[in-house]
Amino acid sequence: KAGVTQTPRYLIKTRGQQVTLSCSPISGHRSVSWYQQTPGQGLQFLFEYFSETQRNKGNFPGRFSGRQFSNSRSEMNVSTLELGDSALYLCASSSRTGGGGTDTQYFGPGTRLTVL
Amino acid sequence: QKEVEQNSGPLSVPEGAIASLNCTYSDRGSQSFFWYRQYSGKSPELIMSIYSNGDKEDGRFTAQLNKASQYVSLLIRDSQPSDSATYLCAVTLSGSARQLTFGSGTQLTVLP
Repeated sequence: KAGVTQTPRYLIKTRGQQVTLSCSPISGHRSVSWYQQTPGQGLQFLFEYFSETQRNKGNFPGRFSGRQFSNSRSEMNVSTLELGDSALYLCASSSRTGGGGTDTQYFGPGTRLTVL
Repeated sequence: QKEVEQNSGPLSVPEGAIASLNCTYSDRGSQSFFWYRQYSGKSPELIMSIYSNGDKEDGRFTAQLNKASQYVSLLIRDSQPSDSATYLCAVTLSGSARQLTFGSGTQLTVLP
């Protein structure tokens, strides 16, 4: 079974621009979560999408947004980029079925964003 | 106090030794615990999940959970140079079943 895929793998932008990152989950997985990883803050949760709805959101400004499509693919968008947004953005998918409990999350390769 | 804490290391062990990685968490309601391995420049890879008190073994890896002490550990037996990586402890806090909260990671180096 193919793993989580993310595109693009590398991205360079300048301050003030916006960026869209894409994630395709493992086939059959319906939940997609996004994380930001930086040397200073480590891995931090951005948000989770399930059935095209945002289910949970981390402590990030409104410049960070996302969406999920009917095929479970997800995109995240960062508007008005700041230097501090330079990070590895990771997408993780799980087979969340809508009930309670925790599903194991599997990470994609990430998108390395550099803001100049 | 951080929600999930790990010894930042670095931790060095000789090849063939047992590497012991530790993690504590602050939320008594936490239900699920994971260990991920991350090689430099790569994304986290799941090694183990554990949900109940006690030990869980998978090959050379053993995860140990003690909810009363709010402590989870990972033992790597017969450590190999290929085990050299950063090990991340992740916890789902109460009320956030699908949000992983990560520790800062422990960098492990296995010396040949």
